[in-house]
Amino acid sequence: QSALTQPASVSGSLGQSITISCTGTSSDIGTYQYVSWYQQHPGKAPKLMIYNVSDRPSGVSNRFSGSKSGNTASLTISGLQAEDEADYYCSSYTSSSSLDVVFGGGTRLTVL
Amino acid sequence: EVQLSESGGDLVQPGGSLRLSCAVSGFTFDNYAMSWVRQAPGKGLEWVSGISNSGANTYYAGSVKGRFTISIDTSKNTLFLQMNNLRAEDTALYFCARAFYSGDRTQFGYWGQGTLVTVSS
Repeated sequence: QSALTQPASVSGSLGQSITISCTGTSSDIGTYQYVSWYQQHPGKAPKLMIYNVSDRPSGVSNRFSGSKSGNTASLTISGLQAEDEADYYCSSYTSSSSLDVVFGGGTRLTVL
Repeated sequence: EVQLSESGGDLVQPGGSLRLSCAVSGFTFDNYAMSWVRQAPGKGLEWVSGISNSGANTYYAGSVKGRFTISIDTSKNTLFLQMNNLRAEDTALYFCARAFYSGDRTQFGYWGQGTLVTVSS
């Protein structure tokens, strides 16, 4: 089972919007709603930003939104702020026999 | 307040064993599934193993199946990961993580700070 495919890096200017894509297969993103996104700052534990494709945990800014189309999920961050600079990982339940959960390779977001 | 705290990471030789612990508070294992997720130095996240609420079912990544065992001790509010026949590629920071909501086991709303496992001779 390969990891979900994310771009290695994205960048955006303060106040702009960016979208990070996450491509899987019909064994994971394409079939199931258990798609989540995590933010990780250097040296810190990951933080759940989006669950069930598009739901936000309490306390997460509404500048973060998630969606899915076919085998691809997306995380959009609007009104970029300096503190958004971090690594972002997507994740999905998978029906693969060798895994239960599959992560993306991660995307480094740089805020210019 | 939900809290998770890992311990047990160490330097171990290839072929050796190690048991990781994750002490939890603020919730009970009866209601929430748990997982171990690791991160090799400078690399991304990798799901390793999971256990359903109350421990009835366990799940493993193919890369660790047959070598790692996940378990819980409800009396001690502790999650464990017994790791045997360790390999260099198991070197990573190991996080324990709790499912965000009851009924799911694949999305993690709470994480510990991690414990470092280094496999090297």
